[in-house]
Amino acid sequence: GAGVSQSPRYKVAKRGQDVALRCDPISGHVSLFWYQQALGQGPEFLTYFQNEAQLDKSGLPSDRFFAERPEGSVSTLKIQRTQQEDSAVYLCASISTSGTEAFFGQGTRLTVV
Amino acid sequence: AQTVTQSQPEMSVQEAETVTLSCTYDTSESDYYLFWYKQPPSRQMILVIRQEAYKQQNATENRFSVNFQKAAKSFSLKISDSQLGDAAMYFCAYRSAVVDKLSFGAGTTVTVRA
Repeated sequence: GAGVSQSPRYKVAKRGQDVALRCDPISGHVSLFWYQQALGQGPEFLTYFQNEAQLDKSGLPSDRFFAERPEGSVSTLKIQRTQQEDSAVYLCASISTSGTEAFFGQGTRLTVV
Repeated sequence: AQTVTQSQPEMSVQEAETVTLSCTYDTSESDYYLFWYKQPPSRQMILVIRQEAYKQQNATENRFSVNFQKAAKSFSLKISDSQLGDAAMYFCAYRSAVVDKLSFGAGTTVTVRA
């Protein structure tokens, strides 16, 4: 596709529900990142993939958060047993092998009620 | 770990005037990249301008320019001839030359007065 695509754009979950957020990076981009952005704040790093390998997951806030990229393209961020503090915008970005610029999707706004 | 600090939560500018956004960062690395991203209400992060640390010349993109002071670890963004469409949240970001991960500042909200 022309850009990074994220779905859904909006998600409302009841507390305790599991959610899955999808990221379709730019075709051929090797590096993929997930960020969490609280309202009025800067994005905070969650995790990073190079192809299918998850090289850094130091930013995942708890073991309820899990990310995968099994075939080195589409990635899914899963949050189990959602809590109110998980409410945020989740941004995905990808970078090409030779590039320096990160291209971002429009994000998924998660609201936990 | 790298930290990026934006000390101005909000800035207001009159249309056609100039506004400067400040950013400082902390790193022990000598080779890295710095970025300014714009985030309008649509949430789409858009790259405004990029600076490679090894380049002494300040980057310029049309009405946007930076003042990169490597020794002071400062990277400010100047928006000239401000337009209504410039209204957004602006984030300063750091990226090591070795690791692709971006570290962001807290952001500055820019409002443009007509």
